[in-house]
Amino acid sequence: QLVLTQSPSASASLGASVKLTCTLSSGHSSYAIAWHQQHPQKGPRFLMKVNSDGSHTRGDGIPDRFSGSSSGAERYLTISSLQSGDEADYYCQTWGTGIRVFGGGTKLTVL
Amino acid sequence: EVQLVESGGGLIQPGRSLRLSCEASGFTFDDYAMHWVRQAPGKGLEWVSGISWNSGNIDYADSVKGRFTISRDNAKNSLYLQMNSLRAEDMALYYCAKTNGTNGGYFHYWGQGTLVTVSS
Repeated sequence: QLVLTQSPSASASLGASVKLTCTLSSGHSSYAIAWHQQHPQKGPRFLMKVNSDGSHTRGDGIPDRFSGSSSGAERYLTISSLQSGDEADYYCQTWGTGIRVFGGGTKLTVL
Repeated sequence: EVQLVESGGGLIQPGRSLRLSCEASGFTFDDYAMHWVRQAPGKGLEWVSGISWNSGNIDYADSVKGRFTISRDNAKNSLYLQMNSLRAEDMALYYCAKTNGTNGGYFHYWGQGTLVTVSS
């Protein structure tokens, strides 16, 4: 079964970097994922696609402070030079035949 | 500029039906698969249903299979979700999402959502 696992929360200081993790279920380590950002009371926003080899493609207008990487079944979203506006929920998402799957989301707090 | 504008949400009693619409602009609508994703109050994102560019490939989450029907009208640049036999657990903000291709895997652009409240 295709499942994505995320930590419910993360925090980091203003100006620092943070690395969020999304873990693919067993047998699905070759899957690409997408990262989406959601601010409170707003629709989600696509950030990037991350492939199993760590290559990533950012969405329109997404600054290069946001980057993606991979290791095994884990997919990462790294945000550098944290800003207050980065405080949001972050969801990973993947896909298979006839199905789309979301992780439970990580709430990022910028201290 | 890609724009996705959902409509049709509202307060509806359990067991009744509702039809959501999503009007798209800023891109060639019939080049892309489209999906519906929902978010219950205070919860995460849940995929609901998707339709390929030519309606030849349609998928549903198990939670809505047999009750919801997705469709599209490429001439009107519009996506629809017919929701029948609504339940309390269907109450959510429903988002329309454009994918990255004709049968795309991920969601490239999102609307702002339309709220469905199921209550007697």
